[in-house]
Amino acid sequence: AQKVTQAQTEISVVEKEDVTLDCVYETRDTTYYLFWYKQPPSGELVFLIRRNSFDEQNEISGRYSWNFQKSTSSFNFTITASQVVDSAVYFCALDNYGQNFVFGPGTRLSVLP
Amino acid sequence: DGGITQSPKYLFRKEGQNVTLSCEQNLNHDAMYWYRQDPGQGLRLIYYSQIVNDFQKGDIAEGYSVSREKKESFPLTVTSAQKNPTAFYLCASSKSGGYSYNEQFFGPGTRLTVL
Repeated sequence: AQKVTQAQTEISVVEKEDVTLDCVYETRDTTYYLFWYKQPPSGELVFLIRRNSFDEQNEISGRYSWNFQKSTSSFNFTITASQVVDSAVYFCALDNYGQNFVFGPGTRLSVLP
Repeated sequence: DGGITQSPKYLFRKEGQNVTLSCEQNLNHDAMYWYRQDPGQGLRLIYYSQIVNDFQKGDIAEGYSVSREKKESFPLTVTSAQKNPTAFYLCASSKSGGYSYNEQFFGPGTRLTVL
C-alpha cells in the first residue's frame, strides 16, 4: 500500500536558521511522483514542488531545496535562512497509482523571530 | 483570475441535517477531489472525480455523497449518516486524472461545525 511518513510532528526554529523537513514514502510502483505542499494559517494548501521517480537531481528554488533519494525512499525539504513567513504546516504527498494522492500527516514548522 | 472557490467559508449544522459544500473551479481541470482535515492531522480523501458524470470513493466516503454534472462543479453533501462531520473540508482540482501525475490545486476550504 502507498504510504507517506513525516516523522517530525512539530519543529521550532529561530529566524535565519536552516531547517529540514523529512519525508519517507512507500510504494510498489516504479513510476511515481512526489509532492510538497505548504498550508499557512489561512488553510489553503499551496503547491511547492513535483518530482518524478526517474529524476533524482536535487532541486533548488530560492531558499527552498529538495533532496530526493530513491535508495532510502526519502524526499526531504530544506528551508535555508528561515523566515517567520515560513511558519506553516508542510505536507509531503505521493501519487496513488496516478489516480489521486496519499498525504503524509504533515509537519508544523514554527519560525520564531 | 483562475482558481477554486469554496463556499461557505464557515458552516454550522445541527445534528441530523444534511449540508452541501460548494466547490467551483474555472481552471478547466478535468479532475476534482474532496479531502477532510481534522485538527492536527493530514488530509484524507473522501471522493474524487476524473471526468464529468463519474466519481470514485476515497478512503473515508461513508456518510458523504457527491455529484459531477458539470466540469467546473463538484459539490459535496455531508449526510446525517456521517457520525463525526466537524472538520475542515478542502476541495482540489488537477489538470487531468488517471496517470497524468499532475499537481493538485486547492481551494480555501470550508470549516464545518456540528452543533
